[in-house]
Amino acid sequence: EPEVTQTPSHQVTQMGQEVILRCVPISNHLYFYWYRQILGQKVEFLVSFYNNEISEKSEIFDDQFSVERPDGSNFTLKIRSTKLEDSAMYFCASSEGRTYTEAFFGQGTRLTVV
Amino acid sequence: QQQVKQSPQSLIVQKGGISIINCAYENTAFDYFPWYQQFPGKGPALLIAIRPDVSEKKEGRFTISFNKSAKQFSLHIMDSQPGDSATYFCAASEGNTNAGKSTFGDGTTLTVKP
Repeated sequence: EPEVTQTPSHQVTQMGQEVILRCVPISNHLYFYWYRQILGQKVEFLVSFYNNEISEKSEIFDDQFSVERPDGSNFTLKIRSTKLEDSAMYFCASSEGRTYTEAFFGQGTRLTVV
Repeated sequence: QQQVKQSPQSLIVQKGGISIINCAYENTAFDYFPWYQQFPGKGPALLIAIRPDVSEKKEGRFTISFNKSAKQFSLHIMDSQPGDSATYFCAASEGNTNAGKSTFGDGTTLTVKP
């Protein structure tokens, strides 16, 4: 069964460092998303991406964040200068279409900023 | 207005019992309501979803009830099993424009006792 894969599963980084979280969406999917889940809290939308550009972003997705689809398979989330409060589980998701379609989530990357 | 309120926060049910989780929303633009199941260390996985043109949708032991006028929807798990023990999230999105951009509820931790 096709699945969204994320690497690494756990990343520890020093405050102020840049991190790149990687995702391989399901191959025929066209819409891509990043969500985050701070420990014990709800899952929060960060950004959606289609046709090589951001289609929507939340207030959380400030200038410290960027997304990219560097090739035909990977989808990345970059955090330029990490803060302690960026510690969270980050989920990548993808969907085949834009309307009334299921979003498939990866297993997540746990980011710990120390 | 963007919030989705979910209750209860936690739920303990005996095997064979009925688990009921409730959600409410404010934004009338929401028209796609997925429920996600999340096991520890995994990403959310779509369980069942409903659009407001129907009041109920059933898939196996899982039923969504939807009350458009009250802006409320609920998940019923019939004949609950220990394997159903997980965290359940309701979500809402504007399905006709960006179904993958979901606003999640806070989550309900379900424990089914054998």
